[in-house]
Amino acid sequence: DAKTTQPNSMESNEEEPVHLPCNHSTISGTDYIHWYRQLPSQGPEYVIHGLTSNVNNRMASLAIAEDRKSSTLILHRATLRDAAVYYCIPTGANSKLTFGKGITLSVRP
Amino acid sequence: KAGVTQTPRYLIKTRGQQVTLSCSPISGHRSVSWYQQTPGQGLQFLFEYFSETQRNKGNFPGRFSGRQFSNSRSEMNVSTLELGDSALYLCASSLGGQGHYGYTFGSGTRLTVV
Repeated sequence: DAKTTQPNSMESNEEEPVHLPCNHSTISGTDYIHWYRQLPSQGPEYVIHGLTSNVNNRMASLAIAEDRKSSTLILHRATLRDAAVYYCIPTGANSKLTFGKGITLSVRP
Repeated sequence: KAGVTQTPRYLIKTRGQQVTLSCSPISGHRSVSWYQQTPGQGLQFLFEYFSETQRNKGNFPGRFSGRQFSNSRSEMNVSTLELGDSALYLCASSLGGQGHYGYTFGSGTRLTVV
C-alpha cells in the first residue's frame, strides 16, 4: 500500500478556498488517488478521485502533480459543513482503502 | 437513488456469541467492502466481495467472515465474539472497485460486546 503524508490539521475561514495537500511518493502507477471525508459519528463520504489529470465535481477539485507523487484537494468555498477529517488514499487493484490519520479541517465562521 | 443500507444500526451481544450484519449496496454496484472502525485502530479493511467472490482480505482472524449474494447484498459474520470486537462496522459499495470508481459508505452498524 502506498504511504501517504498529510498535515494533522488545517484551519480555514468560511467562504474562502481551502487547499488540502497530500504526499504519496510511493504510489503505484496504476493506483487512483481517492479523497474521502468523515464527519463525527458518520461513515466516510466520497469526495473525489482521479488517476493523472485534474478532476472537478460538484464538491471539490483534485489537482494531481505531474509525477503523481502528491495531490491537492481544493474546496472552492469552505462552509461550516465542510469541517471534517479528510483522507487521501491511493488505491488500486486490491480495492482496499487504507485510511491514515487524515487532515482535520476546521472552518471558522 | 437509495444509498448503502446497513442493518441493524445498533447491536449488543455477549462474549462468545456470534453476529451477522447486513449490507445492501447501491443498485448496480457489484463491489462490497467491509471496514471496522475503532477509536484505537481507526478504519481497517476487512474484506471485499465482487460478483459473489471474495476478492481481497485484510488482516483479521478467521472469526470474521462474509459472503455476497447474487443480488450483490452482503453479510458479515463474526463468531465467538470478544470484547475487542466492539466497533462500528461499515460497508462500502462501488460499481467495480479496484480504485476505478468511488466507494459509497453506509452509516454503519454499531456493535457492542459485553
